[in-house]
Amino acid sequence: DAKTTQPTSMDCAEGRAANLPCNHSTISGNEYVYWYRQIHSQGPQYIIHGLKNNETNEMASLIITEDRKSSTLILPHATLRDTAVYYCIAPPGNTPLVFGKGTRLSVIA
Amino acid sequence: DAGVIQSPRHEVTEMGQEVTLRCKPISGHNSLFWYRQTMMRGLELLIYFNNNVPIDDSGMPEDRFSAKMPNASFSTLKIQPSEPRDSAVYFCASSPVGGSKEKLFFGSGTQLSVL
Repeated sequence: DAKTTQPTSMDCAEGRAANLPCNHSTISGNEYVYWYRQIHSQGPQYIIHGLKNNETNEMASLIITEDRKSSTLILPHATLRDTAVYYCIAPPGNTPLVFGKGTRLSVIA
Repeated sequence: DAGVIQSPRHEVTEMGQEVTLRCKPISGHNSLFWYRQTMMRGLELLIYFNNNVPIDDSGMPEDRFSAKMPNASFSTLKIQPSEPRDSAVYFCASSPVGGSKEKLFFGSGTQLSVL
């Protein structure tokens, strides 16, 4: 796997955008970047993924730098329910997802 | 679809006892994964199956752990004998075969406590 580095924890005010960074400087050309999150006491849940282009869905936006060495997950209007651990993963083609420590996001009222 | 179903939700047992965790994957999903989560070690991949065949069990911690998938709709993870350090949340997940990593769905987990 391309090694990913994320901050251990972050805080965000409710209603504001949450920007979660991820470094993946060893990523290879065909490795996607995946984001999952884990709300307390639940299994991880898929959020978004991308290869080169920025991506947006109903949950979040993913901004990938042109050199693909880093990316940012954006939750445009964070709510208390977005409090969770967010995992950034860049696995090689046919290998399963291996989760690191992730970023613990706390959304504060 | 009911999603990935795991049972039991909670299991409390004494050291030395056999423990069996169960998982029913999403219908049509051909890949099944067992993960274990602890505060110290985070979320670890134990073993995964494609089309009922174990592909990689290198994450299984010891011979006390074994996993089976007798058919496409059922898998078990067995610990015999159990030890206190096995206490963790065990998650089962399933996905379609073919590396669709955005389609990995997790169950609610089994909270195991070995006393």
